[in-house]
Amino acid sequence: QSVLTQPPSVSGAPGQRVTISCTGSSSNIGAGYDVHWYQQLPGTAPKLLIYGNSNRPSGVPDRFSGSKSGTSASLAITGLQAEDEADYYCQSYDSSLTGGVFGGGTKLTVL
Amino acid sequence: QVQLVESGGGVVQPGRSLRLSCAASGFTFSSYGMHWVRQAPGKGLEWVAVIWYDGSNKYYADSVKGRFTISRDNSKNTLYLQMNSLRAEDTAVYYCARDALPKSDFENNWFDPWGQGTLVTVSS
Repeated sequence: QSVLTQPPSVSGAPGQRVTISCTGSSSNIGAGYDVHWYQQLPGTAPKLLIYGNSNRPSGVPDRFSGSKSGTSASLAITGLQAEDEADYYCQSYDSSLTGGVFGGGTKLTVL
Repeated sequence: QVQLVESGGGVVQPGRSLRLSCAASGFTFSSYGMHWVRQAPGKGLEWVAVIWYDGSNKYYADSVKGRFTISRDNSKNTLYLQMNSLRAEDTAVYYCARDALPKSDFENNWFDPWGQGTLVTVSS
């Protein structure tokens, strides 16, 4: 059972928009700690996708965007492409656990 | 370029020990906090441990507290994870990851970059 809750899977057709939610609590996201997102392509290590709730590292397309409100955060992907098919993880810090916490991951399928 | 390369994984019997290493290059290793994150087969990511850039603080996930020890040798640009009393549920790919920001609090940091991972299998 992950501390941050994500939907196990989402799907969309090429060109469509999908969102992935990440729900936490008052000891992590709700306490004001930032949310970060990682993309894990099949058979590879995770890669930073969004940091500080809504910032994109250089090289990440602007089709990817992040937001945060209250105890939740969201990752939005517009103009879906086949190469976006991957697992996506949200991550934050938890003051009760004194450590990093991840969501359970969301598998994105491009139909 | 910034690179992290893990090593030391393998098959080990329950109750035995194993030490993982993570060789860093392309950046000033002694300025960055470092983490271990693991991923059981077919499962999600689990944060395991962090060590401050100067080794002054270490924190662990409850699942490994008392069994695993994170350490670093800044003279060798290397991060370690000593794993004792291994259990079947410790079977996973273990990634080392760097704090994105140097000499910053863990709470306000994120993981970038990541190594390619090393597989640890605990089985009799």
